[in-house]
Amino acid sequence: DQQVKQNSPSLSVQEGRISILNCDYTNSMFDYFLWYKKYPAEGPTFLISISSIKDKNEDGRFTVFLNKSAKHLSLHIVPSQPGDSAVYFCAARIGGSNYKLTFGKGTLLTVNP
Amino acid sequence: DGGITQSPKYLFRKEGQNVTLSCEQNLNHDAMYWYRQDPGQGLRLIYYSQIVNDFQKGDIAEGYSVSREKKESFPLTVTSAQKNPTAFYLCASSGDRGRTSGANVLTFGAGSRLTVL
Repeated sequence: DQQVKQNSPSLSVQEGRISILNCDYTNSMFDYFLWYKKYPAEGPTFLISISSIKDKNEDGRFTVFLNKSAKHLSLHIVPSQPGDSAVYFCAARIGGSNYKLTFGKGTLLTVNP
Repeated sequence: DGGITQSPKYLFRKEGQNVTLSCEQNLNHDAMYWYRQDPGQGLRLIYYSQIVNDFQKGDIAEGYSVSREKKESFPLTVTSAQKNPTAFYLCASSGDRGRTSGANVLTFGAGSRLTVL
């Protein structure tokens, strides 16, 4: 049973426009959510995170929104740049003593010049 | 610079052979993890270790083994019992055993690609 779902395998946007990547989750015990960015043949790098007690977190061009009632979060990138082209993974964690991150399958973002 | 070093980057193995992937970190992190990535799949947790001489199975531990004799090192052995070992393997670490929220997140290595011939 997939607890973290990224239903769009790919997304293509024009440079300068907004990119919106979506993520849904099923486990109400998740209390912390993260986005990772991954280039081919490299390890993922941390991008931005949000605690379940918040509904928005912003860092430069990147903003993550959390809708707990809908069990949905989204990553907004604005303006999008060609260097943002990568696979984006949504991840979630249960707080307390659980150390595991549960990852979605990823969304390939392509930003066209 | 502090980071995680995985080796080898590429590895080929014949069926029936065991192979060990190396993971070393100089971040002074307590917790270390092994993930596997397959095409079109997310990252799936194989094993994790919160502290030296202790480790736990993740979601897909069958056919794998690990050791944590030193804080800096968390090698992964892919045994012949692993039915479909061809994949991209990622090692990661986190600072305070992964328990806190906030800025404590996983730092990943560059990965090792294993291909079984």
